[in-house]
Amino acid sequence: DGGITQSPKYLFRKEGQNVTLSCEQNLNHDAMYWYRQDPGQGLRLIYYSQIVNDFQKGDIAEGYSVSREKKESFPLTVTSAQKNPTAFYLCASSMGAGGDYGYTFGSGTRLTVV
Amino acid sequence: AQSVAQPEDQVNVAEGNPLTVKCTYSVSGNPYLFWYVQYPNRGLQFLLKYITGDNLVKGSYGFEAEFNKSQTSFHLKKPSALVSDSALYFCAVRLGGFKTIFGAGTRLFVKA
Repeated sequence: DGGITQSPKYLFRKEGQNVTLSCEQNLNHDAMYWYRQDPGQGLRLIYYSQIVNDFQKGDIAEGYSVSREKKESFPLTVTSAQKNPTAFYLCASSMGAGGDYGYTFGSGTRLTVV
Repeated sequence: AQSVAQPEDQVNVAEGNPLTVKCTYSVSGNPYLFWYVQYPNRGLQFLLKYITGDNLVKGSYGFEAEFNKSQTSFHLKKPSALVSDSALYFCAVRLGGFKTIFGAGTRLFVKA
């Protein structure tokens, strides 16, 4: 079955560490996105990518970095510059701009700073 | 500023009763509107969308939504709620290009 796989499901980060969240899709979707979800705040866009080797900052990109070397993969690195990284991170993809079919989401990664 | 509002943090309804989850938006032009559902520790699942045409759109799991242009609303409805409908519901608006904004979410609790 086609879908989006996020790993790991749970991740613990120590202060000062960089961590990378994995996102892989086999839907042949062009666009991929990273959202951060905090209680009561909905989803906020971190980064998005329309095509391979291209990505754009979203509303809250500070302290995060991404790469898009393959169509199927869009990993997110949470750097030590992100001062409040504890959150639920969601990866999504869409065919084109997602206007017709919306987004397909992964199951998320819950990141906790310890 | 362009925005999406879900005025209720939580909606409580008895099983078998109709349910409504409210959404209003403030955007320019003719937006594309979506509803998603999220179960605990899971990603969002697409329920339905409105792009153009009939103001009443039908989606997955018996849900439907009514688009009202004059009130800039897109309320989610279901004629008869199930306990399994209990989840977090998000309204979303595609602004154009690759930008979509999401409401803060409404938690639906259906009591048996």
